[in-house]
Amino acid sequence: DIQMTQSPSSLSASVGDRVTITCRASQTISTHLNWYQQKPGKAPKLLIYGASRLQSGVPSRFSGSGSGTDFTLTISSLQPEDFASYYCQQSYGTLYTFGQGTKLEIK
Amino acid sequence: EVQLVESGGGLVQPGGSLRVSCAASGFTFGNYWMHWVRQAPGKGLVWVSRIDSDGSTTTYADSVKGRITISRDNAKNTLYLQMNSLRAEDTAVYYCARARVLSFGKNAFDTWGQGTMVTVSS
Repeated sequence: DIQMTQSPSSLSASVGDRVTITCRASQTISTHLNWYQQKPGKAPKLLIYGASRLQSGVPSRFSGSGSGTDFTLTISSLQPEDFASYYCQQSYGTLYTFGQGTKLEIK
Repeated sequence: EVQLVESGGGLVQPGGSLRVSCAASGFTFGNYWMHWVRQAPGKGLVWVSRIDSDGSTTTYADSVKGRITISRDNAKNTLYLQMNSLRAEDTAVYYCARARVLSFGKNAFDTWGQGTMVTVSS
């Protein structure tokens, strides 16, 4: 099974900051990597698919990069509504594993 | 509007069974692979199972294999998750999600239900 490792597990930042979250796969997954945002009590929301493709309706301050085993999610200028948890997910193998998540909190 | 609505969660004793459902609307349900994802209280997302568009192919996470069965009824636009021999560690919110092939052939969960809570406790 492909394991996904995210870092950091939590992050404190301020409105306007640029933040980066990383995700590493235990084997190469090409660009079959997705990012989701989840707010408390809500279902996850797709942000980025195919490592770098912005889902329709998602603000352009979100971006993704990477291929193979190493990936990043970047938020260029944090907005108040961005404080949430973020999860990477691989869609390469038959088991669509998630990373353990990154909780983004207000500093 | 594309929508997924889960139901059927509740309190069940260890060793018991429960079936949760996911009703789809606003799209041609039979054209999509569907997945179940769960989230224990205060924990992260865990992928559980998937089923192909006509129900002929299913896949399970190792942690639930042999105890959980995914199925679908395309005539009723409904996805199911039958859970047997339930354990305390199965306590979670269970989400159904639609898998969509997006541009460049990349697959992602573009639509999620609101989730249904399953609590396994005596």
